[in-house]
Amino acid sequence: EAGVTQFPSHSVIEKGQTVTLRCDPISGHDNLYWYRRVMGKEIKFLLHFVKESKQDESGMPNNRFLAERTGGTYSTLKVQPAELEDSGVYFCASSQDLRDRGQETQYFGPGTRLLVL
Amino acid sequence: GQQVMQIPQYQHVQEGEDFTTYCNSSTTLSNIQWYKQRPGGHPVFLIQLVKSGEVKKQKRLTFQFGEAKKNSSLHITATQTTDVGTYFCAHFAGGATNKLIFGTGTLLAVQP
Repeated sequence: EAGVTQFPSHSVIEKGQTVTLRCDPISGHDNLYWYRRVMGKEIKFLLHFVKESKQDESGMPNNRFLAERTGGTYSTLKVQPAELEDSGVYFCASSQDLRDRGQETQYFGPGTRLLVL
Repeated sequence: GQQVMQIPQYQHVQEGEDFTTYCNSSTTLSNIQWYKQRPGGHPVFLIQLVKSGEVKKQKRLTFQFGEAKKNSSLHITATQTTDVGTYFCAHFAGGATNKLIFGTGTLLAVQP
């Protein structure tokens, strides 16, 4: 079974440009999460999809970030316009929709390393 | 949110030495998970603890959840170079979402 995949693996852009990150969750996983790790800091939650619906987007930094999951399959995270502080590693994770919400295991993708110059 | 502190931030050991990282919360946690992230890699789930005082072992790794469910520890016996990486504790925030709240992480370096 394929794991969570993310594209691109690396992106270097200039301040003010737009970047779109893509995440393909494990097939059949309804839950899709986006997280970010800024260098030297902890991994922080950005948002959570259940199928195509945004369940929680409380972690989104500001309105320069837009996430979509049309059709409930893959998801995109667009940053427009990018700022220097957006640099970091963006991880996607997916999990099955279990009734016992406290028992799910989230599987992380390899991440996209974003550098904004 | 419920911030979770981890200590130490960084640990450098000689191969064969033991290593322990501690995770502390100011509030009671319903669960605690541990992840390992290799340099340049992504977080990989290691284990979940849910019961007060629970202890679980995976080969050389021992995980413990405190009696008050406010702290947890990960102990590695006789470290190997393959143990290098950042170890994160995390817990589910609860509510309608199962977002993970991560600890600050402990970076382990193992010198051969």
